[in-house]
Amino acid sequence: IAGITQAPTSQILAAGRRMTLRCTQDMRHNAMYWYRQDLGLGLRLIHYSNTAGTTGKGEVPDGYSVSRANTDDFPLTLASAVPSQTSVYFCASSDSGRGEQFFGPGTRLTVL
Amino acid sequence: GQNIDQPTEMTATEGAIVQINCTYQTSGFNGLFWYQQHAGEAPTFLSYNVLDGLEEKGRFSSFLSRSKGYSYLLLKELQMKDSASYLCAVMDSNYQLIWGAGTKLIIKP
Repeated sequence: IAGITQAPTSQILAAGRRMTLRCTQDMRHNAMYWYRQDLGLGLRLIHYSNTAGTTGKGEVPDGYSVSRANTDDFPLTLASAVPSQTSVYFCASSDSGRGEQFFGPGTRLTVL
Repeated sequence: GQNIDQPTEMTATEGAIVQINCTYQTSGFNGLFWYQQHAGEAPTFLSYNVLDGLEEKGRFSSFLSRSKGYSYLLLKELQMKDSASYLCAVMDSNYQLIWGAGTKLIIKP
């Protein structure tokens, strides 16, 4: 692994289903982030984690949950998907939480 | 509220120079970032400004004026591969990035 990986690459999901988006980094970065990107809008922060064992809410956390059991992994769970959660989801990490963020390739999620 | 403004779309000619502007109003300021994002791909880091002035990195330069809440990204000797969206982001007082919607740059031969 080099950098940040995300899985799946894309997914079509029925409304009401539960879904976990996976994110793994091998850079030993302390901070990790989940964003969603929608056409015409800037990236919006869903949840973040400054270090393993801690998480925080971003701008648009409703309907999403995260965990950070170790440094490398930061999964994002949609407990009961709704069509408004159709988006491209990016995971990112940074060494200190105060500098450049490195992004994964993204997951394109469609909720029908 | 917090707000980042940048033009939605710009067009320029291969070999020319283009300036992409960004204005911001945020709760605190801990630096301004520019990212490049090609269609269907992830954003990649271009530049970081925390002090006023110009930062030059090859064909790309970024300028910051904190008193005016203003930055620009200057791209010289444009190449077709520079066709992409350019994202302006400000790190606020909580060290969270606030993102603009991005400027789509179209390069014509």
